[in-house]
Amino acid sequence: GQQLNQSPQSMFIQEGEDVSMNCTSSSIFNTWLWYKQDPGEGPVLLIALYKAGELTSNGRLTAQFGITRKDSFLNISASIPSDVGIYFCAGPARGTNKLIFGTGTLLAVQP
Amino acid sequence: EAGVTQFPSHSVIEKGQTVTLRCDPISGHDNLYWYRRVMGKEIKFLLHFVKESKQDESGMPNNRFLAERTGGTYSTLKVQPAELEDSGVYFCASSLAGSTDTQYFGPGTRLTVL
Repeated sequence: GQQLNQSPQSMFIQEGEDVSMNCTSSSIFNTWLWYKQDPGEGPVLLIALYKAGELTSNGRLTAQFGITRKDSFLNISASIPSDVGIYFCAGPARGTNKLIFGTGTLLAVQP
Repeated sequence: EAGVTQFPSHSVIEKGQTVTLRCDPISGHDNLYWYRRVMGKEIKFLLHFVKESKQDESGMPNNRFLAERTGGTYSTLKVQPAELEDSGVYFCASSLAGSTDTQYFGPGTRLTVL
Protein backbone atom coordinates (compact mmCIF):
# COMPACT_ATOMS: atom_id res chain seq x y z
CA GLY A 1 0.00 0.00 0.00
CA GLN A 2 0.92 3.65 -0.12
CA GLN A 3 3.38 4.77 2.56
CA LEU A 4 4.95 8.05 3.59
CA ASN A 5 8.51 8.19 4.89
CA GLN A 6 9.12 11.25 7.00
CA SER A 7 12.44 12.62 8.20
CA PRO A 8 14.00 13.50 10.47
CA GLN A 9 12.33 11.65 13.34
CA SER A 10 13.21 14.42 15.77
CA MET A 11 14.93 17.77 15.87
CA PHE A 12 16.28 19.76 18.81
CA ILE A 13 17.03 23.34 17.87
CA GLN A 14 17.61 26.77 19.34
CA GLU A 15 14.99 29.48 19.13
CA GLY A 16 15.49 31.54 15.99
CA GLU A 17 16.87 28.71 13.87
CA ASP A 18 15.26 27.57 10.65
CA VAL A 19 13.88 24.03 10.37
CA SER A 20 13.35 21.75 7.42
CA MET A 21 11.60 18.39 7.30
CA ASN A 22 10.51 16.24 4.41
CA CYS A 23 8.29 13.44 3.33
CA THR A 24 8.79 10.95 0.51
CA SER A 25 6.77 8.17 -1.01
CA SER A 26 7.32 5.46 -3.58
CA SER A 27 3.89 6.25 -5.03
CA ILE A 28 2.24 9.41 -6.29
CA PHE A 29 0.05 11.59 -4.11
CA ASN A 30 -2.28 14.18 -5.64
CA THR A 31 -2.55 16.15 -2.43
CA TRP A 32 0.03 16.76 0.28
CA LEU A 33 -0.97 17.94 3.72
CA TRP A 34 1.11 19.09 6.68
CA TYR A 35 -0.37 18.80 10.17
CA LYS A 36 0.93 19.81 13.58
CA GLN A 37 0.01 18.09 16.82
CA ASP A 38 0.44 19.97 20.07
CA PRO A 39 0.70 17.94 23.30
CA GLY A 40 -2.73 16.66 24.36
CA GLU A 41 -4.37 17.86 21.18
CA GLY A 42 -5.28 16.39 17.84
CA PRO A 43 -3.49 17.19 14.58
CA VAL A 44 -4.26 20.61 13.10
CA LEU A 45 -3.88 21.30 9.39
CA LEU A 46 -1.11 23.80 8.64
CA ILE A 47 -0.78 23.75 4.88
CA ALA A 48 -2.49 21.90 2.03
CA LEU A 49 -0.85 21.46 -1.38
CA TYR A 50 -2.88 20.41 -4.42
CA LYS A 51 -0.61 20.88 -7.43
CA ALA A 52 2.82 19.51 -8.38
CA GLY A 53 5.45 22.20 -7.94
CA GLU A 54 3.20 24.33 -5.75
CA LEU A 55 4.95 26.39 -3.09
CA THR A 56 2.67 27.69 -0.33
CA SER A 57 3.34 29.78 2.74
CA ASN A 58 1.45 30.22 5.98
CA GLY A 59 3.26 32.80 8.10
CA ARG A 60 6.68 31.44 8.93
CA LEU A 61 5.83 28.08 7.37
CA THR A 62 6.53 27.20 3.75
CA ALA A 63 5.73 23.90 2.09
CA GLN A 64 6.30 22.58 -1.41
CA PHE A 65 4.64 19.84 -3.43
CA GLY A 66 7.40 18.01 -5.30
CA ILE A 67 7.42 17.97 -9.09
CA THR A 68 7.38 14.16 -9.17
CA ARG A 69 4.38 14.18 -6.77
CA LYS A 70 6.30 11.75 -4.60
CA ASP A 71 7.69 14.18 -2.06
CA SER A 72 7.04 17.33 -0.08
CA PHE A 73 8.96 19.46 2.37
CA LEU A 74 8.03 21.82 5.16
CA ASN A 75 10.24 24.69 6.28
CA ILE A 76 9.80 26.74 9.44
CA SER A 77 11.75 29.97 9.60
CA ALA A 78 12.90 31.73 12.76
CA SER A 79 11.53 29.08 15.11
CA ILE A 80 9.89 30.08 18.39
CA PRO A 81 9.07 28.00 21.48
CA SER A 82 5.42 27.52 20.47
CA ASP A 83 6.57 25.67 17.34
CA VAL A 84 7.21 22.68 19.62
CA GLY A 85 5.13 19.66 18.69
CA ILE A 86 4.91 16.77 16.25
CA TYR A 87 4.65 17.56 12.57
CA PHE A 88 3.01 15.04 10.24
CA CYS A 89 2.85 14.90 6.50
CA ALA A 90 -0.24 13.23 5.08
CA GLY A 91 -2.05 12.56 1.87
CA PRO A 92 -5.30 10.91 0.82
CA ALA A 93 -4.96 7.30 -0.28
CA ARG A 94 -5.67 6.88 -3.97
CA GLY A 95 -9.38 7.05 -4.73
CA THR A 96 -10.44 7.37 -1.10
CA ASN A 97 -10.98 9.95 1.63
CA LYS A 98 -8.74 8.22 4.14
CA LEU A 99 -5.51 9.97 5.03
CA ILE A 100 -2.15 8.23 5.08
CA PHE A 101 0.24 9.80 7.57
CA GLY A 102 3.99 9.91 7.89
CA THR A 103 5.60 8.81 11.16
CA GLY A 104 5.99 12.38 12.34
CA THR A 105 8.84 14.73 13.19
CA LEU A 106 9.15 15.74 16.83
CA LEU A 107 10.38 19.33 17.10
CA ALA A 108 11.82 20.73 20.30
CA VAL A 109 12.81 24.40 20.48
CA GLN A 110 15.07 25.64 23.22
CA PRO A 111 14.53 29.29 24.20
CA GLU B 1 -18.28 26.86 16.52
CA ALA B 2 -17.36 23.85 18.65
CA GLY B 3 -14.70 21.55 17.29
CA VAL B 4 -14.60 17.77 17.29
CA THR B 5 -14.89 16.46 20.83
CA GLN B 6 -13.93 13.06 22.16
CA PHE B 7 -14.68 11.28 25.41
CA PRO B 8 -12.99 10.12 27.51
CA SER B 9 -9.64 11.84 27.17
CA HIS B 10 -7.92 8.92 28.88
CA SER B 11 -8.92 5.35 29.62
CA VAL B 12 -6.95 2.71 31.48
CA ILE B 13 -8.40 -0.79 31.39
CA GLU B 14 -7.27 -4.35 31.88
CA LYS B 15 -6.83 -6.85 29.13
CA GLY B 16 -10.13 -8.55 28.39
CA GLN B 17 -12.29 -5.61 29.44
CA THR B 18 -14.50 -3.55 27.17
CA VAL B 19 -14.07 0.12 26.40
CA THR B 20 -16.29 2.48 24.42
CA LEU B 21 -14.93 5.69 22.95
CA ARG B 22 -17.19 8.49 21.83
CA CYS B 23 -16.76 11.16 19.18
CA ASP B 24 -18.94 14.18 18.52
CA PRO B 25 -18.12 15.69 15.13
CA ILE B 26 -18.50 19.31 14.15
CA SER B 27 -22.18 20.04 13.69
CA GLY B 28 -23.28 19.50 10.10
CA HIS B 29 -20.30 17.38 9.12
CA ASP B 30 -21.53 14.27 7.35
CA ASN B 31 -18.10 12.64 7.18
CA LEU B 32 -16.63 11.13 10.32
CA TYR B 33 -13.34 9.25 10.54
CA TRP B 34 -11.57 7.18 13.18
CA TYR B 35 -7.78 6.95 13.27
CA ARG B 36 -5.33 5.42 15.72
CA ARG B 37 -1.73 6.12 16.63
CA VAL B 38 0.15 3.35 18.33
CA MET B 39 3.21 4.49 20.30
CA GLY B 40 5.89 5.96 18.05
CA LYS B 41 4.22 4.94 14.83
CA GLU B 42 2.20 6.76 12.23
CA ILE B 43 -1.45 7.72 12.59
CA LYS B 44 -3.45 4.99 10.86
CA PHE B 45 -6.91 5.12 9.38
CA LEU B 46 -9.56 2.84 10.91
CA LEU B 47 -12.84 3.72 9.21
CA HIS B 48 -14.98 6.38 7.57
CA PHE B 49 -18.68 7.13 8.01
CA VAL B 50 -20.83 9.16 5.67
CA LYS B 51 -23.78 10.07 7.82
CA GLU B 52 -24.76 6.77 9.46
CA SER B 53 -23.28 4.50 6.78
CA LYS B 54 -19.84 2.92 6.87
CA GLN B 55 -18.14 4.13 3.69
CA ASP B 56 -14.79 2.45 4.29
CA GLU B 57 -13.83 0.18 7.16
CA SER B 58 -10.69 -1.23 5.58
CA GLY B 59 -8.50 -0.07 8.47
CA MET B 60 -10.36 -1.84 11.27
CA PRO B 61 -7.83 -4.26 12.81
CA ASN B 62 -10.18 -7.14 13.62
CA ASN B 63 -13.68 -8.00 14.78
CA ARG B 64 -12.96 -6.89 18.35
CA PHE B 65 -13.54 -3.35 17.11
CA LEU B 66 -17.09 -2.13 16.45
CA ALA B 67 -17.93 1.37 15.29
CA GLU B 68 -21.40 2.83 15.12
CA ARG B 69 -22.92 6.13 14.15
CA THR B 70 -26.61 5.82 14.81
CA GLY B 71 -28.59 8.76 13.47
CA GLY B 72 -25.56 10.13 11.68
CA THR B 73 -24.46 12.36 14.53
CA TYR B 74 -22.02 11.14 17.18
CA SER B 75 -20.06 7.93 16.81
CA THR B 76 -18.84 5.28 19.20
CA LEU B 77 -15.94 2.89 18.86
CA LYS B 78 -16.11 -0.16 21.08
CA VAL B 79 -13.21 -2.49 21.74
CA GLN B 80 -14.26 -5.84 23.15
CA PRO B 81 -12.32 -7.62 24.53
CA ALA B 82 -9.35 -5.25 24.70
CA GLU B 83 -5.84 -6.59 24.11
CA LEU B 84 -2.47 -5.07 25.03
CA GLU B 85 -1.74 -4.09 21.43
CA ASP B 86 -4.87 -1.94 21.34
CA SER B 87 -3.11 0.69 23.46
CA GLY B 88 -2.63 3.98 21.69
CA VAL B 89 -4.32 7.28 20.93
CA TYR B 90 -7.61 7.10 19.06
CA PHE B 91 -8.45 10.17 17.03
CA CYS B 92 -11.74 11.12 15.50
CA ALA B 93 -11.99 13.59 12.62
CA SER B 94 -14.85 15.09 10.68
CA SER B 95 -15.25 16.91 7.40
CA LEU B 96 -18.03 18.73 5.69
CA ALA B 97 -17.73 17.28 2.21
CA GLY B 98 -15.69 14.58 0.54
CA SER B 99 -12.13 13.96 -0.43
CA THR B 100 -10.90 17.52 -0.88
CA ASP B 101 -12.39 18.90 2.31
CA THR B 102 -10.27 19.46 5.40
CA GLN B 103 -10.52 16.82 8.10
CA TYR B 104 -10.72 18.42 11.55
CA PHE B 105 -9.35 16.26 14.32
CA GLY B 106 -10.47 15.88 17.90
CA PRO B 107 -8.01 15.82 20.82
CA GLY B 108 -7.96 12.03 20.91
CA THR B 109 -8.58 9.37 23.55
CA ARG B 110 -5.48 7.81 25.05
CA LEU B 111 -6.23 4.16 25.69
CA THR B 112 -3.95 2.08 27.88
CA VAL B 113 -4.58 -1.64 28.16
CA LEU B 114 -2.75 -3.31 31.06
